[in-house]
Amino acid sequence: EVQLLESGGGLVQPGGSLRLSCAASGFTFSSYAMSWVRQAPGKGLEWVSAISGSGGSTYYADSVKGRFTISRDNSKNTLYLQMNSLRAEDTAVYYCVGAIAAAGTNWFDPWGQGTLVTVSS
Amino acid sequence: QSVLTQPPSVSGAPGQRVTISCTGSSSNIGAGYDVHWYQQLPGTAPKLLIYGNSNRPSGVPDRFSGSKSGTSASLAITGLQAEDEADYYCQSYDSSLSEEVFGGGTKLTVL
Repeated sequence: EVQLLESGGGLVQPGGSLRLSCAASGFTFSSYAMSWVRQAPGKGLEWVSAISGSGGSTYYADSVKGRFTISRDNSKNTLYLQMNSLRAEDTAVYYCVGAIAAAGTNWFDPWGQGTLVTVSS
Repeated sequence: QSVLTQPPSVSGAPGQRVTISCTGSSSNIGAGYDVHWYQQLPGTAPKLLIYGNSNRPSGVPDRFSGSKSGTSASLAITGLQAEDEADYYCQSYDSSLSEEVFGGGTKLTVL
């Protein structure tokens, strides 16, 4: 069974840091690009970051560029998101998702269950 | 304000047909980028519903269909069922932003 399991969310003060992890199972992890998508409470979906299967290429939304770093360890089938200089507007559920590319865009499948990050003093 | 525009809500009675629109621009849907759709049931993670404008993943009922024309796309649901009550999101790529973008989401209510 294909599964993505996020961890590492929690409460952090503004300006603080947090590292999210996503453990993948049930598929050949290194063959897939991966992304993080977030959803603020009661709001819609927002793409955050993406990484190629090898880890050699990374992409970021302007809203997190310079503050967040995506990485992966294919030997551990794990995706990471290092979040620094956190702001209140980063408060959201963060989903780990598989990214499948075609015709210049990616669709996202599968999705993890999400981990909640709350930035507040 | 989302780059892709969806109606905030739609509703329909059981058995009816509803459509959800997703309007973009010349830098995303109009530029030829594919549109994908997701269903988010209450309290759960989103799930891929349609990919590549009109393709259904395995397990998605054929009551769900997608189409694209010009700078817009649509999701149609026929034979509406109570279990279809959810939030629906469209997604594509925007070349001006160099980012994947989502619509603001549409809440479907089954009356």
